[in-house]
Amino acid sequence: NAGVTQTPKFQVLKTGQSMTLQCAQDMNHEYMSWYRQDPGMGLRLIHYSVGAGITDQGEVPNGYNVSRSTTEDFPLRLLSAAPSQTSVYFCASTRGGGGAGYEQYFGPGTRLTVT
Amino acid sequence: SQKIEQNSEALNIQEGKTATLTCNYTNYSPAYLQWYRQDPGRGPVFLLLIRENEKEKRKERLKVTFDTTLKQSLFHITASQPADSATYLCALDPSGAPKIIFGSGTRLSIRP
Repeated sequence: NAGVTQTPKFQVLKTGQSMTLQCAQDMNHEYMSWYRQDPGMGLRLIHYSVGAGITDQGEVPNGYNVSRSTTEDFPLRLLSAAPSQTSVYFCASTRGGGGAGYEQYFGPGTRLTVT
Repeated sequence: SQKIEQNSEALNIQEGKTATLTCNYTNYSPAYLQWYRQDPGRGPVFLLLIRENEKEKRKERLKVTFDTTLKQSLFHITASQPADSATYLCALDPSGAPKIIFGSGTRLSIRP
């Protein structure tokens, strides 16, 4: 099993450009999430999904869109990149629920720089 | 406001000693709390989950406590080793949904 994969590993964008960060998991988990991590601020939740076709906002959703057409894939779209979106982005696939709590499995991250 | 706080300063421990990290939260009543390890340039790795009705949980050299009255979890690494050096993150799911919130983490350094 590959677990959680993310592409690309690194990306440089100019202000106003758009792009999609890809995330895929092969663990058949219903739940998936996107986080950004900035120095000194920990991981902040952007969007999450509880299943195909169902997404919801996290703490910092502005400037980002998501969709979930399959269980495996959960892409994150930046419609018009801004320097404030320079960050490391992590995708996570989550096991659990139903009263058992959650365990998250993270991808290797995408380091994004917006100039 | 709702907050999760971890020691912002790095923790430096002599090899062989017990490292203790603290996670405090306010305005949450989580049913579970989780701890993760993160190495530089990598994604976090799940370590342990503790339920609100569990006072203590152990896994090998790791021990986690969860005090819902104090709103605090302690994470212990016994017989610490230089390979334990990493950033440790606590996390909780405040609403019961998989909308998991993280603390900013504590960087732990174990010196030989």
